[in-house]
Amino acid sequence: KAGVTQTPRYLIKTRGQQVTLSCSPISGHRSVSWYQQTPGQGLQFLFEYFSETQRNKGNFPGRFSGRQFSNSRSEMNVSTLELGDSALYLCASSARFRGMGYETQYFGPGTRLLVL
Amino acid sequence: AQSVTQPDIHITVSEGASLELRCNYSYGATPYLFWYVQSPGQGLQLLLKYFSGDTLVQGIKGFEAEFKRSQSSFNLRKPSVHWSDAAEYFCAVGVGSNTGNQFYFGTGTSLTVIP
Repeated sequence: KAGVTQTPRYLIKTRGQQVTLSCSPISGHRSVSWYQQTPGQGLQFLFEYFSETQRNKGNFPGRFSGRQFSNSRSEMNVSTLELGDSALYLCASSARFRGMGYETQYFGPGTRLLVL
Repeated sequence: AQSVTQPDIHITVSEGASLELRCNYSYGATPYLFWYVQSPGQGLQLLLKYFSGDTLVQGIKGFEAEFKRSQSSFNLRKPSVHWSDAAEYFCAVGVGSNTGNQFYFGTGTSLTVIP
């Protein structure tokens, strides 16, 4: 099976702009989670989507949003970019076919966002 | 609240030497425990996981980890380190429920391997 893919891999934006990142999960996986990784804060959970619904959300401002499509692909959007949003954004997928309990997460290579 | 602690920020070992990376967690119920490795500029690769059963878990690349409930630990080990093992290692606790899954990551341990 192909792994988790993320596009684009690199992105440069300026303050105030908005950005959309895309994630395609492993085939058959229905849950997609997003994480922000920075040197200062480490890996922080943004949100999880399952069956097109946001199921869980981390402690991030409303500028960070996401959605999931019927084919399980997910997008993450950040509006009004700030310098501090520069980070590696990681997407992870899991099967979650049992409907509850924990499933292993498989990570994509990430999108590196630089805000100038 | 759940938390994961990796007390060693950076470790340096010689190639061929043994390795142990420490991980302690704080979680009320039976944890789902994971070790991931991240090479520079890359995503996270799953090394191994513990859900239940045998407390000694074998993973890829010759790594193993032991779950010790009494110590709330899940330390990662490798008997002989290779130069290609140089990377960042993350311990994580998985929490699942009807409403969603969430990972809690440690801050990571950076491994340097010297010839």
